[in-house]
Amino acid sequence: DSGVTQTPKHLITATGQRVTLRCSPRSGDLSVYWYQQSLDQGLQFLIQYYNGEERAKGNILERFSAQQFPDLHSELNLSSLELGDSALYFCASSVGWGGNTGELFFGEGSRLTVL
Amino acid sequence: GENVEQHPSTLSVQEGDSAVIKCTYSDSASNYFPWYKQELGKGPQLIIDIRSNVGEKKDQRIAVTLNKTAKHFSLHITETQPEDSAVYFCAASKRSNDYKLSFGAGTTVTVRA
Repeated sequence: DSGVTQTPKHLITATGQRVTLRCSPRSGDLSVYWYQQSLDQGLQFLIQYYNGEERAKGNILERFSAQQFPDLHSELNLSSLELGDSALYFCASSVGWGGNTGELFFGEGSRLTVL
Repeated sequence: GENVEQHPSTLSVQEGDSAVIKCTYSDSASNYFPWYKQELGKGPQLIIDIRSNVGEKKDQRIAVTLNKTAKHFSLHITETQPEDSAVYFCAASKRSNDYKLSFGAGTTVTVRA
């Protein structure tokens, strides 16, 4: 158990809908990362937050947004869903950021299926 | 941005044999190279990492080598066991990008009993 909790584990929805994925980082970790894992594209970095502020942005679509709350949990919002958004979405956490990132601890992922 | 290529995409080995996975990276400024293991239904987990000031690092049956000149690094697993069956990801990062990890596409390793 990595200590990172993601909910829901599985989610099935229809195109055009909006979903929210939730992540609770390890106790004491201030950084939260979101990754998308598709069958053909491996792990793609979406976005990182550190202590409530956005620190880095990757290949995140404009239809997607995220935030980190004062209690350090994070939510990834996916809207106007398309079939191609079906994937495993991982949250990871670490103690710090930049040179003090330390090890990334991954949750077990949220599997999104868009029909 | 950084581009990490990983080979092979699948690898089947006999129990007890060695497994080698190779990755290349494009950005010579990259200086941190972790390897993650993802078991079925789980998230990736760090198994070993290496920084650019070191050429080799070993932890029991796992070792990683780094060739900065050629910009490639490799994971070596010796005396493979069934529990080594998993997907392995290499990654690279650099200070100027806040150490944001760029992952390879993954290698599915199957250890045959």
